[in-house]
Amino acid sequence: DAGVTQSPTHLIKTRGQHVTLRCSPISGHKSVSWYQQVLGQGPQFIFQYYEKEERGRGNFPDRFSARQFPNYSSELNVNALLLGDSALYLCASSLGTPGQEKLFFGSGTQLSVL
Amino acid sequence: GESVGLHLPTLSVQEGDNSIINCAYSNSASDYFIWYKQESGKGPQFIIDIRSNMDKRQGQRVTVLLNKTVKHLSLQIAATQPGDSAVYFCAEYDQAGTALIFGKGTTLSVSS
Repeated sequence: DAGVTQSPTHLIKTRGQHVTLRCSPISGHKSVSWYQQVLGQGPQFIFQYYEKEERGRGNFPDRFSARQFPNYSSELNVNALLLGDSALYLCASSLGTPGQEKLFFGSGTQLSVL
Repeated sequence: GESVGLHLPTLSVQEGDNSIINCAYSNSASDYFIWYKQESGKGPQFIIDIRSNMDKRQGQRVTVLLNKTVKHLSLQIAATQPGDSAVYFCAEYDQAGTALIFGKGTTLSVSS
């Protein structure tokens, strides 16, 4: 079975641009979460979606938004990119509502903002 | 506030040795903990988890110990192999149960 898949794997943007990252969860998983990982640190929570509804949001500015589609795939959008947005963006899925379940992570999208 | 931390940023061992990676957590209400392994260029990979009603859980070559009294977790890897070289994170959920909180990680280096 396929794991969590993310696209693209790498992306280079310039300041002020907009980016859309995509994620397909493991088949049957209804929850998708997004994390940002800066080099040398652990992942930081951005969003969690369950059954197409936002269930949690981390301490990120409104430039960050996300949505989950009826097939449970998800998009993360970042507007007005800043140099500090350069990071590995990870998507994770779980079968039900997180909190008592392990998350399965994709390999991430490496975003570089120049 | 909630935080999950690790005692040592790096750990170097010889192939065949047993490795112990430690983690301290601050949220005494946490009831579920997860260990992840992250290799360069990849996302975190689930290793093992433990719930607060347990003190110990064993997997294949890995054991997690939970000491709720001192809020301490450890990951033990038996007969460490070069393929175990990676960054290891412990993680717990926040009080809302939506965000997984990661520590800064321990880099394990295994030399043969």
